[in-house]
Amino acid sequence: GENVEQHPSTLSVQEGDSAVIKCTYSDSASNYFPWYKQELGKGPQLIIDIRSNVGEKKDQRIAVTLNKTAKHFSLHITETQPEDSAVYFCAASKGSNDYKLSFGAGTTVTVRA
Amino acid sequence: DSGVTQTPKHLITATGQRVTLRCSPRSGDLSVYWYQQSLDQGLQFLIQYYNGEERAKGNILERFSAQQFPDLHSELNLSSLELGDSALYFCASSVLEGGGRETQYFGPGTRLLVL
Repeated sequence: GENVEQHPSTLSVQEGDSAVIKCTYSDSASNYFPWYKQELGKGPQLIIDIRSNVGEKKDQRIAVTLNKTAKHFSLHITETQPEDSAVYFCAASKGSNDYKLSFGAGTTVTVRA
Repeated sequence: DSGVTQTPKHLITATGQRVTLRCSPRSGDLSVYWYQQSLDQGLQFLIQYYNGEERAKGNILERFSAQQFPDLHSELNLSSLELGDSALYFCASSVLEGGGRETQYFGPGTRLLVL
Protein backbone atom coordinates (compact mmCIF):
# COMPACT_ATOMS: atom_id res chain seq x y z
CA GLY A 1 0.00 0.00 0.00
CA GLU A 2 0.85 3.67 -0.05
CA ASN A 3 3.52 4.88 2.36
CA VAL A 4 3.69 8.61 3.11
CA GLU A 5 6.65 10.02 4.99
CA GLN A 6 6.59 13.51 6.48
CA HIS A 7 9.40 15.74 7.75
CA PRO A 8 10.14 17.37 10.08
CA SER A 9 8.14 15.99 12.98
CA THR A 10 8.39 19.31 14.83
CA LEU A 11 9.01 22.81 13.55
CA SER A 12 9.45 26.01 15.55
CA VAL A 13 9.46 29.32 13.69
CA GLN A 14 9.49 32.98 14.62
CA GLU A 15 6.29 34.86 13.87
CA GLY A 16 6.53 36.33 10.39
CA ASP A 17 8.98 33.70 9.11
CA SER A 18 8.14 30.92 6.67
CA ALA A 19 7.50 27.26 7.46
CA VAL A 20 8.07 24.38 5.06
CA ILE A 21 6.91 20.80 5.54
CA LYS A 22 7.92 18.04 3.13
CA CYS A 23 6.30 14.72 2.27
CA THR A 24 7.24 11.81 0.05
CA TYR A 25 4.98 9.05 -1.18
CA SER A 26 5.68 5.60 -2.54
CA ASP A 27 2.83 4.76 -4.92
CA SER A 28 3.22 6.38 -8.32
CA ALA A 29 -0.53 5.86 -8.90
CA SER A 30 -1.37 8.45 -6.23
CA ASN A 31 -2.74 11.62 -7.78
CA TYR A 32 -4.41 13.61 -5.00
CA PHE A 33 -2.47 15.25 -2.16
CA PRO A 34 -4.37 17.16 0.54
CA TRP A 35 -2.98 18.94 3.58
CA TYR A 36 -4.87 19.00 6.86
CA LYS A 37 -4.42 21.17 9.94
CA GLN A 38 -5.40 19.74 13.29
CA GLU A 39 -5.78 21.93 16.35
CA LEU A 40 -5.93 20.51 19.85
CA GLY A 41 -9.18 18.70 20.50
CA LYS A 42 -10.45 19.09 16.95
CA GLY A 43 -10.67 17.05 13.79
CA PRO A 44 -8.36 17.54 10.81
CA GLN A 45 -9.33 20.54 8.71
CA LEU A 46 -8.52 20.65 5.00
CA ILE A 47 -6.38 23.70 4.26
CA ILE A 48 -5.21 23.09 0.71
CA ASP A 49 -4.91 20.27 -1.78
CA ILE A 50 -3.25 19.59 -5.10
CA ARG A 51 -3.93 17.13 -7.84
CA SER A 52 -1.37 15.55 -10.09
CA ASN A 53 -2.12 17.64 -13.14
CA VAL A 54 -0.68 20.79 -11.54
CA GLY A 55 2.72 21.53 -10.02
CA GLU A 56 1.84 24.33 -7.63
CA LYS A 57 -1.20 25.82 -5.96
CA LYS A 58 -1.48 28.89 -3.78
CA ASP A 59 -4.12 30.19 -1.39
CA GLN A 60 -3.17 33.42 0.35
CA ARG A 61 -0.27 32.58 2.73
CA ILE A 62 -0.34 28.86 1.96
CA ALA A 63 1.14 27.11 -1.06
CA VAL A 64 1.69 23.51 -2.03
CA THR A 65 4.14 22.19 -4.61
CA LEU A 66 4.15 18.76 -6.20
CA ASN A 67 6.95 16.93 -7.98
CA LYS A 68 5.46 13.73 -9.40
CA THR A 69 8.75 12.54 -10.85
CA ALA A 70 10.44 12.63 -7.46
CA LYS A 71 7.21 11.64 -5.64
CA HIS A 72 7.32 14.46 -3.17
CA PHE A 73 5.15 17.41 -2.25
CA SER A 74 5.59 20.30 0.16
CA LEU A 75 3.54 22.78 2.16
CA HIS A 76 4.77 26.36 2.44
CA ILE A 77 3.32 28.80 4.94
CA THR A 78 4.55 32.39 4.63
CA GLU A 79 4.31 35.21 7.16
CA THR A 80 3.45 32.78 9.94
CA GLN A 81 1.11 33.90 12.70
CA PRO A 82 0.48 32.43 16.18
CA GLU A 83 -2.81 30.94 14.93
CA ASP A 84 -0.81 28.80 12.49
CA SER A 85 0.43 26.76 15.48
CA ALA A 86 -1.07 23.28 15.05
CA VAL A 87 -0.28 19.78 13.78
CA TYR A 88 -0.17 19.53 10.00
CA PHE A 89 -0.72 16.28 8.10
CA CYS A 90 -0.01 15.50 4.49
CA ALA A 91 -1.93 12.71 2.77
CA ALA A 92 -2.17 10.92 -0.55
CA SER A 93 -4.79 8.97 -2.42
CA LYS A 94 -5.11 7.37 -5.82
CA GLY A 95 -8.56 8.61 -6.77
CA SER A 96 -10.39 6.63 -9.47
CA ASN A 97 -12.53 4.54 -7.14
CA ASP A 98 -9.83 4.40 -4.47
CA TYR A 99 -10.15 7.58 -2.43
CA LYS A 100 -8.93 6.43 0.95
CA LEU A 101 -6.28 8.72 2.40
CA SER A 102 -2.84 7.56 3.53
CA PHE A 103 -1.47 10.08 6.02
CA GLY A 104 1.99 11.19 7.01
CA ALA A 105 2.91 11.12 10.70
CA GLY A 106 2.29 14.83 11.18
CA THR A 107 4.35 17.95 11.89
CA THR A 108 3.82 19.97 15.06
CA VAL A 109 4.32 23.61 14.13
CA THR A 110 4.90 26.19 16.84
CA VAL A 111 4.97 29.87 15.93
CA ARG A 112 6.89 31.92 18.49
CA ALA A 113 5.59 35.43 19.09
CA ASP B 1 -17.25 23.65 11.31
CA SER B 2 -17.00 20.95 8.62
CA GLY B 3 -20.67 19.99 8.77
CA VAL B 4 -19.82 16.43 9.85
CA THR B 5 -21.11 15.53 13.30
CA GLN B 6 -19.94 12.75 15.58
CA THR B 7 -21.32 11.48 18.86
CA PRO B 8 -20.38 10.98 21.56
CA LYS B 9 -17.45 13.35 21.95
CA HIS B 10 -15.89 11.28 24.72
CA LEU B 11 -16.38 7.66 25.74
CA ILE B 12 -14.86 5.85 28.70
CA THR B 13 -15.41 2.12 29.01
CA ALA B 14 -13.82 -1.05 30.27
CA THR B 15 -11.94 -3.84 28.55
CA GLY B 16 -14.19 -6.46 27.00
CA GLN B 17 -17.06 -4.03 26.45
CA ARG B 18 -18.73 -2.96 23.22
CA VAL B 19 -19.37 0.60 22.07
CA THR B 20 -21.02 2.30 19.11
CA LEU B 21 -19.76 5.53 17.57
CA ARG B 22 -22.06 7.56 15.39
CA CYS B 23 -21.38 9.85 12.44
CA SER B 24 -23.69 12.09 10.44
CA PRO B 25 -22.16 13.21 7.14
CA ARG B 26 -22.50 16.62 5.53
CA SER B 27 -25.77 17.17 3.76
CA GLY B 28 -25.60 15.57 0.34
CA ASP B 29 -22.44 13.54 0.95
CA LEU B 30 -22.87 9.88 0.09
CA SER B 31 -19.49 8.60 1.26
CA VAL B 32 -18.41 8.07 4.85
CA TYR B 33 -14.91 7.12 5.93
CA TRP B 34 -13.74 6.01 9.37
CA TYR B 35 -10.20 6.68 10.57
CA GLN B 36 -8.42 5.85 13.81
CA GLN B 37 -5.82 8.22 15.28
CA SER B 38 -3.45 6.86 17.90
CA LEU B 39 -0.08 8.00 19.15
CA ASP B 40 1.80 4.99 17.80
CA GLN B 41 -0.06 4.41 14.52
CA GLY B 42 -1.01 7.93 13.49
CA LEU B 43 -4.08 8.44 11.31
CA GLN B 44 -5.13 5.12 9.80
CA PHE B 45 -7.98 4.40 7.40
CA LEU B 46 -10.42 1.81 8.72
CA ILE B 47 -13.36 1.51 6.34
CA GLN B 48 -15.43 3.38 3.76
CA TYR B 49 -19.14 3.24 2.97
CA TYR B 50 -20.79 4.71 -0.09
CA ASN B 51 -24.55 5.12 -0.22
CA GLY B 52 -25.11 2.27 2.20
CA GLU B 53 -22.60 -0.21 0.84
CA GLU B 54 -19.09 -1.05 1.96
CA ARG B 55 -16.65 0.36 -0.60
CA ALA B 56 -13.17 -0.12 0.83
CA LYS B 57 -11.55 -1.71 3.84
CA GLY B 58 -8.28 -0.78 5.50
CA ASN B 59 -6.58 -1.93 8.68
CA ILE B 60 -9.82 -2.66 10.50
CA LEU B 61 -9.79 -5.36 13.16
CA GLU B 62 -12.32 -8.20 12.99
CA ARG B 63 -13.69 -6.99 16.32
CA PHE B 64 -14.73 -3.76 14.60
CA SER B 65 -17.59 -3.36 12.19
CA ALA B 66 -19.48 -0.53 10.58
CA GLN B 67 -22.60 0.18 8.63
CA GLN B 68 -24.26 3.06 6.81
CA PHE B 69 -27.98 3.51 7.10
CA PRO B 70 -30.54 4.68 4.51
CA ASP B 71 -30.40 8.22 5.93
CA LEU B 72 -26.62 8.03 5.27
CA HIS B 73 -25.51 8.24 8.88
CA SER B 74 -22.92 5.66 9.85
CA GLU B 75 -22.05 3.73 12.97
CA LEU B 76 -18.76 2.15 13.93
CA ASN B 77 -19.10 -0.75 16.36
CA LEU B 78 -16.11 -1.74 18.47
CA SER B 79 -16.40 -4.94 20.51
CA SER B 80 -14.29 -6.95 22.94
CA LEU B 81 -12.43 -3.74 23.62
CA GLU B 82 -8.76 -3.81 24.58
CA LEU B 83 -6.57 -1.16 26.16
CA GLY B 84 -4.90 -0.63 22.79
CA ASP B 85 -8.19 0.43 21.21
CA SER B 86 -7.98 3.71 23.11
CA ALA B 87 -7.71 6.34 20.40
CA LEU B 88 -9.47 9.13 18.56
CA TYR B 89 -11.94 7.90 15.97
CA PHE B 90 -12.76 10.24 13.13
CA CYS B 91 -15.41 10.09 10.52
CA ALA B 92 -15.05 11.95 7.23
CA SER B 93 -17.62 12.49 4.53
CA SER B 94 -17.21 13.36 0.91
CA VAL B 95 -18.99 13.95 -2.32
CA LEU B 96 -17.74 12.93 -5.72
CA GLU B 97 -17.16 16.10 -7.73
CA GLY B 98 -16.75 16.52 -11.46
CA GLY B 99 -13.85 14.75 -13.11
CA GLY B 100 -13.77 11.98 -10.51
CA ARG B 101 -12.50 14.36 -7.84
CA GLU B 102 -13.32 13.89 -4.21
CA THR B 103 -12.61 15.90 -1.04
CA GLN B 104 -12.95 14.52 2.48
CA TYR B 105 -14.20 16.64 5.38
CA PHE B 106 -13.57 15.41 8.89
CA GLY B 107 -15.78 15.47 11.94
CA PRO B 108 -14.60 16.49 15.43
CA GLY B 109 -13.94 12.89 16.46
CA THR B 110 -14.83 10.61 19.35
CA ARG B 111 -12.17 10.10 21.99
CA LEU B 112 -12.35 6.54 23.29
CA LEU B 113 -10.63 5.54 26.51
CA VAL B 114 -10.60 1.86 27.46
CA LEU B 115 -9.70 1.20 31.08
